[in-house]
Amino acid sequence: GAVVSQHPSRVICKSGTSVKIECRSLDFQATTMFWYRQFPKQSLMLMATSNEGSKATYEQGVEKDKFLINHASLTLSTLTVTSAHPEDSSFYICSAAAVNTDTQYFGPGTRLTVL
Amino acid sequence: GENVEQHPSTLSVQEGDSAVIKCTYSDSASNYFPWYKQELGKRPQLIIDIRSNVGEKKDQRIAVTLNKTAKHFSLHITETQPEDSAVYFCAASTGGGGNKLTFGTGTQLKVEL
Repeated sequence: GAVVSQHPSRVICKSGTSVKIECRSLDFQATTMFWYRQFPKQSLMLMATSNEGSKATYEQGVEKDKFLINHASLTLSTLTVTSAHPEDSSFYICSAAAVNTDTQYFGPGTRLTVL
Repeated sequence: GENVEQHPSTLSVQEGDSAVIKCTYSDSASNYFPWYKQELGKRPQLIIDIRSNVGEKKDQRIAVTLNKTAKHFSLHITETQPEDSAVYFCAASTGGGGNKLTFGTGTQLKVEL
């Protein structure tokens, strides 16, 4: 149980294009999903908290107009990196927590490379 | 906000030895402390967690201790094996599904034969 999927696993795009990443909880409902970014040999940095049916809460320093988050259902959240630039290249990971539980389960991550 | 410090950043042990990783947190309201193991290029995997109403929790070779007064918690791995080699992250949260985790900086554990 508690499986989180993420798609795509890897994407390469040109500078200036937009990329959408999907995060799904496969066997449980998640009112809250979280989006993290991880640079090589560094820790997970929370970008935003995604709440089903409401606007996401962004961490300080994260541009909400650049990283668009939509949490349309209890099993799906999407992160769109708009007008991507090489400095956006990173490992993006989502996590999901079931209703009224502490435990966060992570997706497998998406490796984004912007050329 | 919450700040979590983790030490050491790297740890090398001989197979069969024990490994200890320590974390401190700043927010006294934090009450949930998970530990994740992450292999290179993979997702973080929850290995053990502890809540503030207990001082110690054990699962086979892995144990976690919590000192609320001092605001620190530790991960103990006994009888280490090569497959324990990975990066370990501690985290702290005020709990509940909507509450965010604040992660430590990670510890690269290497278990040598």
